[in-house]
Amino acid sequence: GAVVSQHPSRVICKSGTSVKIECRSLDFQATTMFWYRQFPKKSLMLMATSNEGSKATYEQGVEKDKFLINHASLTLSTLTVTSAHPEDSSFYICSARDQLKGGNTEAFFGQGTRLTVV
Amino acid sequence: KQEVTQIPAALSVPEGENLVLNCSFTDSAIYNLQWFRQDPGKGLTSLLLIQSSQREQTSGRLNASLDKSSGRSTLYIAASQPGDSATYLCAVCSGGSYIPTFGRGTSLIVHP
Repeated sequence: GAVVSQHPSRVICKSGTSVKIECRSLDFQATTMFWYRQFPKKSLMLMATSNEGSKATYEQGVEKDKFLINHASLTLSTLTVTSAHPEDSSFYICSARDQLKGGNTEAFFGQGTRLTVV
Repeated sequence: KQEVTQIPAALSVPEGENLVLNCSFTDSAIYNLQWFRQDPGKGLTSLLLIQSSQREQTSGRLNASLDKSSGRSTLYIAASQPGDSATYLCAVCSGGSYIPTFGRGTSLIVHP
């Protein structure tokens, strides 16, 4: 099956610094990728939809200046948490579909990134 | 707005039992429904995908059913094993952007 690679899997950073998380579709093209955040014992909450070559669409309540999304190619989307604070500590997961197979096909997920801000 | 509910939130069973996990959704106009497994601190592994035109899918000891009209899906796990211990998430794909909406998951523990 299609593979989505997310890197890094774990990162610890100091408060005030920025962290970049990469999401790659390894063997298919993805014009759209999704970024989720998961709080402990909570569901995955959609943060934004990343669109190749255009601006991301953010969900209500998500700060676009805080969570910068760049989708520069058909296989790579990045999420940058800027000026990170302890409350940004969470599990972030990306998702993508094989666009050539249609929008309603199986969604593949990265392995997630555990961000801890100290 | 689509809302997805999973019951029970947690389940602890002895090895060998057959299990049923439930997922319900409010908007029946879906494209597909997907069941995932998540191990602690890990990402999501896709288990089964059911298209809106299908009623069930099977993979090994897993069987997922879909009743779109009533907004329900069940995941049946036969002869549970300790290795099945994980959180099981249900995601419904609907809307123009085909965005999956997740339930909170069922945390399953199968003890020897």
